Amino acid sequence: KAGVTQTPRYLIKTRGQQVTLSCSPISGHRSVSWYQQTPGQGLQFLFEYFSETQRNKGNFPGRFSGRQFSNSRSEMNVSTLELGDSALYLCASSINRRPDEKLFFGSGTQLSVL
Amino acid sequence: AQSVTQLDSQVPVFEEAPVELRCNYSSSVSVYLFWYVQYPNQGLQLLLKYLSGSTLVKGINGFEAEFNKSQTSFHLRKPSVHISDTAEYFCAVTSFSGGYNKLIFGAGTRLAVHP
Repeated sequence: KAGVTQTPRYLIKTRGQQVTLSCSPISGHRSVSWYQQTPGQGLQFLFEYFSETQRNKGNFPGRFSGRQFSNSRSEMNVSTLELGDSALYLCASSINRRPDEKLFFGSGTQLSVL
Repeated sequence: AQSVTQLDSQVPVFEEAPVELRCNYSSSVSVYLFWYVQYPNQGLQLLLKYLSGSTLVKGINGFEAEFNKSQTSFHLRKPSVHISDTAEYFCAVTSFSGGYNKLIFGAGTRLAVHP
């Protein structure tokens, strides 16, 4: 069974641009959540999607948005990039939204904003 | 609000020695607790989790953790470490009110195993 796939693996953008990151969950998983990882702030929850609906959102500005498609694939978008958006963006999937389920993480997309 | 504090940012240890990575949490509601490991250039992998029941939880790769409600701690232990255990370890918490897949992570502990 394939794991969680995130594309692209690396991305370089300049300030003011916008970027879209993609996440393909494990087949059969309906929940996809996103996390930002930086050396200064650590791992922070961005948002979670389940059955194409946003179920939970972290404390990030409106420049960060996401969506989920009917096949459970998810995208996140960051508009008007800032230097501080440079981070590893991790996607995780699970079958449902129960605490006894295992959350599977992808290897992440490393975004560098110049 | 919930928070997680990992008391050590770095833990150096010699191979085959025991290790303990410390984690304390703060929450006004019942929580579920997790330990994740991150190897270089990879995502996170679940080591173990505490949902309810026995306070001693066994995970993969010989790790175990003990939930202590009175001390609000969830320390991770391994009796004998290997070079391959070198990685960053994250303690995390979630709750029903927070949304189960909304994990609050600690800052991480970098475990360095030396020969």
